[in-house]
Amino acid sequence: SAVISQKPSRDICQRGTSLTIQCQVDSQVTMMFWYRQQPGQSLTLIATANQGSEATYESGFVIDKFPISRPNLTFSTLTVSNMSPEDSSIYLCSGGAGGLVGYTFGSGTRLTVV
Amino acid sequence: GENVEQHPSTLSVQEGDSAVIKCTYSDSASNYFPWYKQELGKRPQLIIDIRSNVGEKKDQRIAVTLNKTAKHFSLHITETQPEDSAVYFCAASIPPGNQFYFGTGTSLTVIP
Repeated sequence: SAVISQKPSRDICQRGTSLTIQCQVDSQVTMMFWYRQQPGQSLTLIATANQGSEATYESGFVIDKFPISRPNLTFSTLTVSNMSPEDSSIYLCSGGAGGLVGYTFGSGTRLTVV
Repeated sequence: GENVEQHPSTLSVQEGDSAVIKCTYSDSASNYFPWYKQELGKRPQLIIDIRSNVGEKKDQRIAVTLNKTAKHFSLHITETQPEDSAVYFCAASIPPGNQFYFGTGTSLTVIP
């Protein structure tokens, strides 16, 4: 299965600023997704990162706040824009071949907004 | 999206006993159900999965069962060991996007 490298692993940011998180996959994958996980809670899907086109966002998430890029089949970025303390969370990417198989996850980015 | 409920939220068992975690889903179109284990501070790891055309799947000490009619599926861990202690998440996948929607998680503690 694919191995996903994610960076940064953690960051502390000032409110009003933006942070871009990167995920690099060691092989081409059809599907990539971005999740948010509050400490001790479940994973909430933010969006599907579509290669070469706009991401597909879940209810409650918008492109202006969480712009996503996916220029090729091995790389994606998530930007958290105009951050507020409520954006403090762990952000994870995941990816895989798609279809009826499991996806692997990146190691996560722990974001703290002060 | 899909709504996945998971019970219990916490579970403590004695080493050697069995543990069962149950999930229900809402969308009958869901066709794939993975289970993930997440240790503290680490990324979720896939431990077992089941497709909608299968009723049961086993892999050593873990098994998953699926009841499509009732829209629920369960994770069974037998002969639990302390290293099984972690948070377990179920998920459901809906075609064609194949996104995973996760349950709320179960914190399993195996007491030596």
